[in-house]
Amino acid sequence: SQQGEEDPQALSIQEGENATMNCSYKTSINNLQWYRQNSGRGLVHLILIRSNEREKHSGRLRVTLDTSKKSSSLLITASRAADTASYFCASHTGGGNKLTFGTGTQLKVEL
Amino acid sequence: GAGVSQSPRYKVAKRGQDVALRCDPISGHVSLFWYQQALGQGPEFLTYFQNEAQLDKSGLPSDRFFAERPEGSVSTLKIQRTQQEDSAVYLCASSLGAQGRDGYTFGSGTRLTVV
Repeated sequence: SQQGEEDPQALSIQEGENATMNCSYKTSINNLQWYRQNSGRGLVHLILIRSNEREKHSGRLRVTLDTSKKSSSLLITASRAADTASYFCASHTGGGNKLTFGTGTQLKVEL
Repeated sequence: GAGVSQSPRYKVAKRGQDVALRCDPISGHVSLFWYQQALGQGPEFLTYFQNEAQLDKSGLPSDRFFAERPEGSVSTLKIQRTQQEDSAVYLCASSLGAQGRDGYTFGSGTRLTVV
């Protein structure tokens, strides 16, 4: 079963614009992670935010976490055509060892 | 190795055939995970190993699915008597620490098509 749902399902923007993707999850988490997947490839870990953190930055990426609303957002600033991919949020819950993924957002960055 | 390696990259199997998918994790990584990803969906957890011990196999969809990691490094996911609904990308991931809470490194996956 999917733990999270992502919104929007698909997003198309122009190069240079910012892209924002949202993730909602159902149960309490230990941490939340974001991954990118290029077509036909494996997932690449982008950033991890722990449950006691509210915001984290990595290069052009900014992640926020609101545990009261059980939601997270991923912002990609100054997007590039190479950012075109699917983006997934994933969470660790309770004492479990598995990462539970959301449904993903397909981002297309056009020149 | 430098990354997680999976083979074969693509596999076409006739319905009823047995298949074996291989995963070579990053050397020294304790945790190894298998995920199944259907087209247009997020990955779904199948099973987890800590070294050679299979600590969680709650995601395996049926007793036709079997995974092993006998020496705590290479892992094999075996699917017996494949069915069309088994068609998916099978992803392997490894993590340095136990439980993989600090981010995984994924392989490129094996795309299985059952015809």
